[in-house]
Amino acid sequence: DTAVSQTPKYLVTQMGNDKSIKCEQNLGHDTMYWYKQDSKKFLKIMFSYNNKELIINETVPNRFSPKSPDKAHLNLHINSLELGDSAVYFCASSHLRRGNTEAFFGQGTRLTVV
Amino acid sequence: AQTVTQSQPEMSVQEAETVTLSCTYDTSESNYYLFWYKQPPSRQMILVIRQEAYKQQNATENRFSVNFQKAAKSFSLKISDSQLGDTAMYFCASFSQGGSEKLVFGKGTKLTVNP
Repeated sequence: DTAVSQTPKYLVTQMGNDKSIKCEQNLGHDTMYWYKQDSKKFLKIMFSYNNKELIINETVPNRFSPKSPDKAHLNLHINSLELGDSAVYFCASSHLRRGNTEAFFGQGTRLTVV
Repeated sequence: AQTVTQSQPEMSVQEAETVTLSCTYDTSESNYYLFWYKQPPSRQMILVIRQEAYKQQNATENRFSVNFQKAAKSFSLKISDSQLGDTAMYFCASFSQGGSEKLVFGKGTKLTVNP
């Protein structure tokens, strides 16, 4: 069973479109994250949710809107896509706030905006 | 602010040899964790090793070990008997409890193991 699963794995879309990436974890973790990995491989946190509550929002444009319907799911909706949004987006989950010592990552979604 | 610095963008090593990847970090919290993650070309993020800051003993996982120097805020990764499958990006990361509580990554080191 996949611990953290994201869909889709690949997404190619035109500028100006709206798209969503879904993430689900079956580990019972309280905290979920979205990270963006740019072309230089730098991993930067975008959002973090704990028990469905937003706890970290790292100055991400308003076009990005996360939504956590329950603590096992954290989806990312992106409006009016721009070329600069092209990247790999990773979902992750953890119990790190409770002291459990690992974050588990999904396989990533490669978003290409053309 | 919580920061993680990896000063080696790229490294290479011959198969069966030993290589050390450097990492320094900064945090104002006393309770924190440090990690090394591996990202092979498949792009999956895989935990290699972790270290709790309150533990003095260096963590070891098979061929992977760390040199944790708390006073110097240094956390290097040693890979012994390097294998071709170790070729990957390696990311150092830290998580501080009580502060921003986010997992912060360094910029990564691209390691190539040559046959």
